[in-house]
Amino acid sequence: GQQVMQIPQYQHVQEGEDFTTYCNSSTTLSNIQWYKQRPGGHPVFLIQLVKSGEVKKQKRLTFQFGEAKKNSSLHITATQTTDVGTYFCAGPPLGSNYKLTFGKGTLLTVNP
Amino acid sequence: EAQVTQNPRYLITVTGKKLTVTCSQNMNHEYMSWYRQDPGLGLRQIYYSMNVEVTDKGDVPEGYKVSRKEKRNFPLILESPSPNQTSLYFCASTISNPTDTQYFGPGTRLTVL
Repeated sequence: GQQVMQIPQYQHVQEGEDFTTYCNSSTTLSNIQWYKQRPGGHPVFLIQLVKSGEVKKQKRLTFQFGEAKKNSSLHITATQTTDVGTYFCAGPPLGSNYKLTFGKGTLLTVNP
Repeated sequence: EAQVTQNPRYLITVTGKKLTVTCSQNMNHEYMSWYRQDPGLGLRQIYYSMNVEVTDKGDVPEGYKVSRKEKRNFPLILESPSPNQTSLYFCASTISNPTDTQYFGPGTRLTVL
């Protein structure tokens, strides 16, 4: 079945440093979604990318969707302590809009 | 307020004692889904429902049942819970399918002794 891999599993940074997490799917995706889960909380939707090669920005966050629609990245510029949490990517395989597979997530911790 | 609610939020039970975790959404969403979250394994989809009376298996359906008799409710049933079902469970809903934004409930932490 479809597998979605994320790296790194953990990332610890000093406040102000940049952070990137990568997501790779074993199959082509219809779209890619990114979620953030704060410690003790539930996943919260951040963004969805649909088009091949798409790039979207949200303030300090930059999201990219690969040309083959099998990989994606999330980059945070100048991390802040409020960025702490686990970042998940998720996507339905192309042609199947109902089943969703999540990556295992990247836990980001930020040292003030 | 648009929300997904789950009950109970915390549950400790014993092996073999049937339980139901309820999930309700007030957004008139068609698609609802259950996930379990385990350390190191991320979120794994258990079951999903595209609409009333339409459900299908996710990646880890063994040991679980669901029903969708009304649009707003999507209960998760564990007929005979076992310790390997100890986990954090999330219900989620979206307008029509997971290509839309998913809204997650607050989670139910289940411990099976």
